[in-house]
Amino acid sequence: EADIYQTPRYLVIGTGKKITLECSQTMGHDKMYWYQQDPGMELHLIHYSYGVNSTEKGDLSSESTVSRIRTEHFPLTLESARPSHTSQYLCASSGTGTRRGYTFGSGTRLTVV
Amino acid sequence: QKEVEQNSGPLSVPEGAIASLNCTYSDRGSQSFFWYRQYSGKSPELIMFIYSNGDKEDGRFTAQLNKASQYVSLLIRDSQPSDSATYLCAVQNSGGYQKVTFGIGTKLQVIP
Repeated sequence: EADIYQTPRYLVIGTGKKITLECSQTMGHDKMYWYQQDPGMELHLIHYSYGVNSTEKGDLSSESTVSRIRTEHFPLTLESARPSHTSQYLCASSGTGTRRGYTFGSGTRLTVV
Repeated sequence: QKEVEQNSGPLSVPEGAIASLNCTYSDRGSQSFFWYRQYSGKSPELIMFIYSNGDKEDGRFTAQLNKASQYVSLLIRDSQPSDSATYLCAVQNSGGYQKVTFGIGTKLQVIP
């Protein structure tokens, strides 16, 4: 079944640690996105990619980085986690003919202590 | 002015009533419009998209688009308690990258 997967679902980590949030999709979508969302708040685009070796920063300034070496994989890395990074991180993808909209993963809830 | 505006609510309707959710957008060249439903603690899921003026119906959901007024709405007929969620309006802008911008979402509460 074609889908988009995020791991881990929940992560509690100490300040200063390096973390990588994983996102993979099996739909062959070219476009992938990372959003940040605090509880009850709006989605903020932090990174996006329109294909392999293509990455761009989104609207919300973020200290994270992303890579897109394979079409299906779009990991997000925080080199040094801080309590201000505590949030929900959502990965999404879309194919050509974007009238189909986005498919979102289940999200990673990150808590930095 | 925000690119996509929604009233954050909450919008409370009794079970069985019609819920009307509204959204306005600023980019007159926008091409496609989406409604997502997001349950508390969950990810958004696409429930409707529309790109032509007029109405589009899918089951109990009807999306309405008026490009001249830059206005999109979602009607939910026979509202059920299970419809209680936040509804996000998203607009695909004109331009090379066809960026999609999300509104803040309207929280809908269906009262049994």
